[in-house]
Amino acid sequence: EAGVAQSPRYKIIEKRQSVAFWCNPISGHATLYWYQQILGQGPKLLIQFQNNGVVDDSQLPKDRFSAERLKGVDSTLKIQPAKLEDSAVYLCASSLLLGAVVDTQYFGPGTRLTVL
Amino acid sequence: AQSVTQLGSHVSVSEGALVLLRCNYSSSVPPYLFWYVQYPNQGLQLLLKYTTGATLVKGINGFEAEFKKSETSFHLTKPSAHMSDAAEYFCAVRWNQAGTALIFGKGTTLSVSS
Repeated sequence: EAGVAQSPRYKIIEKRQSVAFWCNPISGHATLYWYQQILGQGPKLLIQFQNNGVVDDSQLPKDRFSAERLKGVDSTLKIQPAKLEDSAVYLCASSLLLGAVVDTQYFGPGTRLTVL
Repeated sequence: AQSVTQLGSHVSVSEGALVLLRCNYSSSVPPYLFWYVQYPNQGLQLLLKYTTGATLVKGINGFEAEFKKSETSFHLTKPSAHMSDAAEYFCAVRWNQAGTALIFGKGTTLSVSS
C-alpha cells in the first residue's frame, strides 16, 4: 500500500513570495490533515478535511494560508505572502475515518520550507 | 487548557541500556494517547497507542508504554536500546471527541551511543 505522498520535499523562497505544497493521501482515506512543524516543536494542526469539506481550520492563518481538497482526494496548501516565521516542515497526514477517534493518522515525509 | 508535556528535550543512552522517555498530559478526562517516532527527513510513524483496556501497551520495535491515570502519564520504554532507535519521539493526545485533532508534545531526541 502506497503511503502519503508530498511534494516538493524542499522549498526555499524569499519573504512575500508565494508557495504551494501538494499532498496525495493513502487511497480510500476520507480524512486529510495539514500540520506545521516548527523546528524544536511538535506538529500543530493547521486544517483538517473530511472528504472535500473543512472540519477544523481554527488554527489556520487565513490572511495568508489557504487550502483546498477538490474532489476529496489530493490537497494543496498555499501560503501567500510568506513570512520568515513560516519556515517550518509542513506535514500532511491521512486517516480512514473521521468518526473513529482512535483512527490512526499516517504521515507523509513533509515539505521543508525555508523563507529568507 | 489541555496540554502535553515531554520531560527532557534530549535523552542519551548507551546501546543496550534502558530507554525511558517521559510524557505527561493535563486533563481531567483521560485522553487517547499516542507515541510517534520521526527519523531524519521522514514523516512520523506510529509506535503505539492507548485507547481503552489494558494500560500496558506494546508497540513496534520493542517499545511499550504504560498509561497511569493517577499520574497522568504515558511514559515510553524499551529494555535495550539499539543504534537504530536514535530518532525524535513525540507523545500525542486526542480527546474523546470525534473530529478532534492530535495535540503533540515538543518531542524528545533520543541519542544512542556504542
